[in-house]
Amino acid sequence: DTAVSQTPKYLVTQMGNDKSIKCEQNLGHDTMYWYKQDSKKFLKIMFSYNNKELIINETVPNRFSPKSPDKAHLNLHINSLELGDSAVYFCASSQDLGGYTFGSGTRLTVV
Amino acid sequence: DAKTTQPPSMDCAEGRAANLPCNHSTISGNEYVYWYRQIHSQGPQYIIHGLKNNETNEMASLIITEDRKSSTLILPHATLRDTAVYYCIVMEGYSSASKIIFGSGTRLSIRP
Repeated sequence: DTAVSQTPKYLVTQMGNDKSIKCEQNLGHDTMYWYKQDSKKFLKIMFSYNNKELIINETVPNRFSPKSPDKAHLNLHINSLELGDSAVYFCASSQDLGGYTFGSGTRLTVV
Repeated sequence: DAKTTQPPSMDCAEGRAANLPCNHSTISGNEYVYWYRQIHSQGPQYIIHGLKNNETNEMASLIITEDRKSSTLILPHATLRDTAVYYCIVMEGYSSASKIIFGSGTRLSIRP
């Protein structure tokens, strides 16, 4: 069983479209995150949720809206996609001091 | 901004120990040292963490200096599969507001 699973793995879409990326973890962790890795390979945190509550929002544009229906899921919806949104998006979860578990990433390409 | 300094790249012969240094001179008393790695096209992978004592697990050993201003990650017998970018991170002990801030890491190449 995959601990943190993201879907889809690849997403190609046109500018202006709205898309969602889904994330699920089966580790029983309380906290989940979204990270963005751009073309220069820098990993930056976007959001974190703890037990469905938004904890961290790192000045991400309003076009990005995370949603956590329960503590095992954290989805990312993006409105009006722009070329600069092209990146790899990673979901992660954590509990206590044991380190984060990351998903395998969603490669988003906006054309 | 990341609170750590790492060499941008290193290489190591297969089968030898890989020693990756990290400087974290501004670390505070309640911050832990974490190491992650990212193999090409995969998500980051947790390796090990410590507060002040040396730590060892099935993947690696972590040596933290007594003043806690620097640390070394040791991969005892490097293999080609250890080729990755290794990130040294300092972070407060777990709370819901904790977050990993990644720097640029060290690109480790293992040569056959």
